Amino acid sequence: DTAVSQTPKYLVTQMGNDKSIKCEQNLGHDTMYWYKQDSKKFLKIMFSYNNKELIINETVPNRFSPKSPDKAHLNLHINSLELGDSAVYFCASSLNTAYNEQFFGPGTRLTVL
Amino acid sequence: QQQVKQSPQSLIVQKGGISIINCAYENTAFDYFPWYQQFPGKGPALLIAIRPDVSEKKEGRFTISFNKSAKQFSLHIMDSQPGDSATYFCAASNNAGNMLTFGGGTRLMVKP
Repeated sequence: DTAVSQTPKYLVTQMGNDKSIKCEQNLGHDTMYWYKQDSKKFLKIMFSYNNKELIINETVPNRFSPKSPDKAHLNLHINSLELGDSAVYFCASSLNTAYNEQFFGPGTRLTVL
Repeated sequence: QQQVKQSPQSLIVQKGGISIINCAYENTAFDYFPWYQQFPGKGPALLIAIRPDVSEKKEGRFTISFNKSAKQFSLHIMDSQPGDSATYFCAASNNAGNMLTFGGGTRLMVKP
């Protein structure tokens, strides 16, 4: 059973388009995250949700809008895609906001042409 | 400003050798220091983690050493194996939503 799943795995699109990435976890966790990993492998947190409430928003452009319809799902919608948005986006989850292991999904490789 | 600095960027070790990766942090509020392992095409996975109340933690071949006064911590992989070849990330967080700040990563290659 996949613990944290993301769809799609690959996303190729044109500049200016709007796209969404979906994430689901079946671990019963309260907290979910979105990370961006750039071409140099640098990992940076973008958002964190706890019980469907946004708790971390790390100065991400407002073209990025996360949505958590329930505790098991955290989707990422990106408007007006730019070349610099090309990266691998990882969803992760943890039991709660304390010092807990974060379980990462397999990633979505976004390429903006 | 990179709050967690990791070195080296890449490391080649012979099978059976010791791999050592170092990290330094600036924020004295950090009090949780995990290491994550990432294989190509996969998401990172927790390897081992330490809180600053201890100076060392060992799990199998993996050991974290922690120096609070120097604000440094390191990962030692004993008896390195080709299957350990991966990218390793140190990270740090404080009690603020479990938000992890990652180091830049170290690409480890273990030669047979």
